[in-house]
Amino acid sequence: EVQLVESAGGLVKPGGSLTLSCSASGFIFSDTWMSWVRQAPGKGLEWVGRIKNKTDDETTDYAAPVKGRFTISRDDSKNTLYLQMNSLKTEDTAIYYCTMSPNYYESGHYYNVFHIWGQGTMVTVSS
Amino acid sequence: DIQMTQSPSSLSASVGDRVTITCRPSQTIRTYLNWYQQKPGKAPKFLIYGASRLQSGVPSRFSGSGFGTEFTLTISSLQPEDFATYYCQQTYIIPFTFGPGTKVDIK
Repeated sequence: EVQLVESAGGLVKPGGSLTLSCSASGFIFSDTWMSWVRQAPGKGLEWVGRIKNKTDDETTDYAAPVKGRFTISRDDSKNTLYLQMNSLKTEDTAIYYCTMSPNYYESGHYYNVFHIWGQGTMVTVSS
Repeated sequence: DIQMTQSPSSLSASVGDRVTITCRPSQTIRTYLNWYQQKPGKAPKFLIYGASRLQSGVPSRFSGSGFGTEFTLTISSLQPEDFATYYCQQTYIIPFTFGPGTKVDIK
């Protein structure tokens, strides 16, 4: 069974740091692009960023609100995805989801899809 | 960044109703449009990619259409388990952006 399990989040003070992990099983993690998506309480979904696989140089991309503060990395030997969050702000308070985000190839196009999601973990940034 | 809008923001419907949700990106995204369903307290569930391609295992009452700057998600006959919030997402250009969601509740 394909599964993604995020580590526990927590309460962090503004300006603080926290690293989330996402343990993957049931698929070839090393081949798969992965992403983080967050959802502030009562709000919609917000893409945070992604990391490609080693074949694609583990290239990362980030949303503007987190660029320079958040770092996505992966350890293929441990089947684990990470989200290191620094200089946290109150507006980073959200449920954070890790997702498998591979490309589906069809009719000459590569469609990036977020097809398996973790259960999510709550991060609260408050003094 | 591509801005995504959805309409309506919410709707009330009955079991058996046909429901249509519209998603409009601020610029063309060709067919790089995904749809997700989210129930309260749960992670989103992936429904449709490429604007109209149903993810394996998703019931055939769900369908998607559109190209460019206007897309629709249709539920042909609403079932009790379909009451949820639906999000569109463009994956044409980074940053990938989601629509604000459409909440479908029981009339």
